Formats: sequence, C-alpha cells, structure tokens
Amino acid sequence: EVQLVESGGGLIQPGGSLRLSCAASGFAVSSNFMNWVRQAPGKGLEWVSIVYGDDPPYYADSVKGRFTISRDNSKNTLYLQMNSLRAEDTAVYYCASSATLDYWGQGTLVTVSS
Amino acid sequence: DIQMTQSPSSLSASVGDRVTITCRASQGIRNDLAWFQQKPGKAPKRLIYAASSLQSGVPSRFSGSGSGAEFTLTISSLQPEDFATYYCLQFNNYPFTFGPGTKVDIK
Repeated sequence: EVQLVESGGGLIQPGGSLRLSCAASGFAVSSNFMNWVRQAPGKGLEWVSIVYGDDPPYYADSVKGRFTISRDNSKNTLYLQMNSLRAEDTAVYYCASSATLDYWGQGTLVTVSS
Repeated sequence: DIQMTQSPSSLSASVGDRVTITCRASQGIRNDLAWFQQKPGKAPKRLIYAASSLQSGVPSRFSGSGSGAEFTLTISSLQPEDFATYYCLQFNNYPFTFGPGTKVDIK
C-alpha cells in the first residue's frame, strides 16, 4: 500500500528556515516523480516543486532560489528545504507522487509569523 | 507559464443533479490534465488523469473529457459525498499549474 507521511512543519519567524520531510512506503521515491504542493489557509492549491531521477528539479517562481527539493533514497524520503521564509509561505504543505499526483500525504502546516 | 481557469467558481446543486465543471488552459496542453476533489481539512484526491482516464476506485459517475485547451469534469448524478471543491491541474509544462477551484455545495 502506498503511503506518504509529511513532517517538519511548525511556527517559524520570517527569514527563518525549515526542512520538511515526506516518508514514503509502498514504492521507491528514487524511481518516481515526487512533488511538493501547498495550500495557504482558505486558498487554492499551488504546485511548488518536482524532482525525478537525475533530472534537474523544477520550482514555482514564488519559491525559486529559496526552496530546495531533494531525496534520500536510502531512507525513501523526500525533503523540502525552505529558507528565507516569508509570511506568504504560510500554508499546509503536501507531498505527492508521480507526474500526475496520484498519491498525497496528509500535509504538514507551516506558519511563518513573528 | 500556463494559466488555468475554471468555471464556475462555485455552484449549488441537488442530489441527483448532473454537474459539469469546465477548465481552460491559456495554451494547448494536449491531454496533460488531471482533476482532483478536496474536502475540508483533507488532502486532495485524484479523480481523473490524462484528461479522461478514471482513477481506480473512483465511482463511474465521474468522467472527464477534452483535449488541447478546454476540458470538462462531469458528475452524472451528484451524491451527498460529492460536495467538495474540485481542481484541475496541467502537467504539460513546468511549472505545473492548478485551476482556482470550483466549490460544489448543496442547494
């Protein structure tokens, strides 16, 4: 059974850094497209980033240069390193598998506030 | 970047109604489109991929159609558990982009 479990969210001050994790089971993150998607409170879905194999990762313009997606294949885990956080990064962050986002985790809330 | 629009932004319908939601892309995206359902406080759930392929386990009252720049999601007979917000997603080109969503609520 495919399962994705995010962790690492919390309250962080503007300008701070946070690393989110997404532990996968039932498939290998190394051989799948893996995405991060976020949803600000009361708003719609925003695609954030994708990684696949040895291809270069892609990012939304809103996070480019501040966020970095990566994987640890030995731990079958996806990460999102978030630096220079802003109030507008406040959102529930979801990881999702495949290029068509077939499986999703339950999400982890990131709140950027002083 | 490819912009996605959805119409309507919200609708009120009754159980048993036929519901159609439209998604338009700012340029052609072949059939590189998926539909998602999201209920409050829950993660989105994929319903349709490749514009018209039904996700395993999703009821057959859901269907998708279209190609190029215009797509539709149809619920043939709305059920109580279908009241939710629906999003389209284009995965033809980076950055992927979602539509703004269509909220379906009870009339």
